[in-house]
Amino acid sequence: EIVLTQSPGTLSLSPGERATLSCRASQSVSSSYLAWYQQKPGQAPRLLIYDASSRATGIPDRFSGSGSGTDFTLTISRLEPEDFAVYFCQQYGDSMYTFGQGTNLEIK
Amino acid sequence: QVQLQESGPGLVKPSETLSLTCAVSGYSISSGYYWGWIRRPPGKGLEWIGSIHHSGNTFYNPSLKSRVTISVDTPKNQFSLKLSSVTAADTAVYYCARHSQTYYYTWGQGTLVTVSS
Repeated sequence: EIVLTQSPGTLSLSPGERATLSCRASQSVSSSYLAWYQQKPGQAPRLLIYDASSRATGIPDRFSGSGSGTDFTLTISRLEPEDFAVYFCQQYGDSMYTFGQGTNLEIK
Repeated sequence: QVQLQESGPGLVKPSETLSLTCAVSGYSISSGYYWGWIRRPPGKGLEWIGSIHHSGNTFYNPSLKSRVTISVDTPKNQFSLKLSSVTAADTAVYYCARHSQTYYYTWGQGTLVTVSS
């Protein structure tokens, strides 16, 4: 089973700043099989990025994904008030899906 | 717009079977995709439980496989989760979702299930 470790656990930033979230895998992940999601309190998770770097439909271009192998990054170029939420990564491999434990992006 | 909504008891006794249903609107389950269940125990990360393909094939997390059954009710356009012999460790928010082979397009809001006597 591939374990995904996200860092930091909590990230405190101000609107307008740049956010960089990390997702590290215990073994190599196919870039086609890495996704990022956003979840706000009381809401369903929302797909942001798939195939490591492709934005899902309707996702603003301030969200971008990058990385390969075992290291992946979600970047939010300029934080908007609505971006403060929990973000988690997910991979598919060996007929299994695993998720990171999440990064809580909070307003500083 | 595809929407998913979980339903079922919020409290289950230890050793009993947890049963949840996911009602799908805006898309026919039999038309395509995978339909899965994921959970998040308090203070922990998300855990994939299992999925069913629109063809009827199922696949489960090996760590839960012996206790899990996922099935589809095509006329009602819903799919279900049964998890047997539950313990306190099965207390979690349970989500249903529509997904491709590799990522999750659409999620339900989630439902909290507590295992307690």
